[in-house]
Amino acid sequence: QKEVEQDPGPLSVPEGAIVSLNCTYSNSAFQYFMWYRQYSRKGPELLMYTYSSGNKEDGRFTAQVDKSSKYISLFIRDSQPSDSATYLCAMRSSTNAGKSTFGDGTTLTVKP
Amino acid sequence: ETGVTQSPTHLIKTRGQQVTLRCSSQSGHNTVSWYQQALGQGPQFIFQYYREEENGRGNFPPRFSGLQFPNYSSELNVNALELDDSALYLCASRGDYTSDEQYFGPGTRLTVT
Repeated sequence: QKEVEQDPGPLSVPEGAIVSLNCTYSNSAFQYFMWYRQYSRKGPELLMYTYSSGNKEDGRFTAQVDKSSKYISLFIRDSQPSDSATYLCAMRSSTNAGKSTFGDGTTLTVKP
Repeated sequence: ETGVTQSPTHLIKTRGQQVTLRCSSQSGHNTVSWYQQALGQGPQFIFQYYREEENGRGNFPPRFSGLQFPNYSSELNVNALELDDSALYLCASRGDYTSDEQYFGPGTRLTVT
């Protein structure tokens, strides 16, 4: 079983919809949680970064971490066609700054 | 653009051969990590270099090795290529090994036949 499981998708929504992307994990040592966006033929781009449990908002994006349930989410409000990409969750422990463990990604398509 | 470049863009090799992939980090970034991303999967951590020394490694065999140079460039070397090594290889640079703000390059697509 993988340490990080991500809803596989694909996900297709109309423009303006609220999107929810989710990951679960099994390693209780994970304390740092990231969301990346990866466009086709590009490297991942860091979107959101949170430490421990709680919410963090940045524009149309909200990251949520529930460590008691080992569950993290990324919400996208007012989704746009330019949000169409693969979204990857990633996490790491406090003792290993270099090693991020990624989910397998959810491919999102926002239709105009 | 992240300022991280990788070369070549694509590469085709035969099983058993050796390959060297190159990465140029952002200026001033002393930490580089390498990841392998198989089709339809998330990136898997191979190893990290900090100030030209390896200081973290994932579950990859010794035939995966690397080098980091003082000019912010680095290399990933893979010996005795296997079919399963076919993947996108990504490098990511950071200003310091404690930072989570890592900037990925566009990757090198390696195909092993």
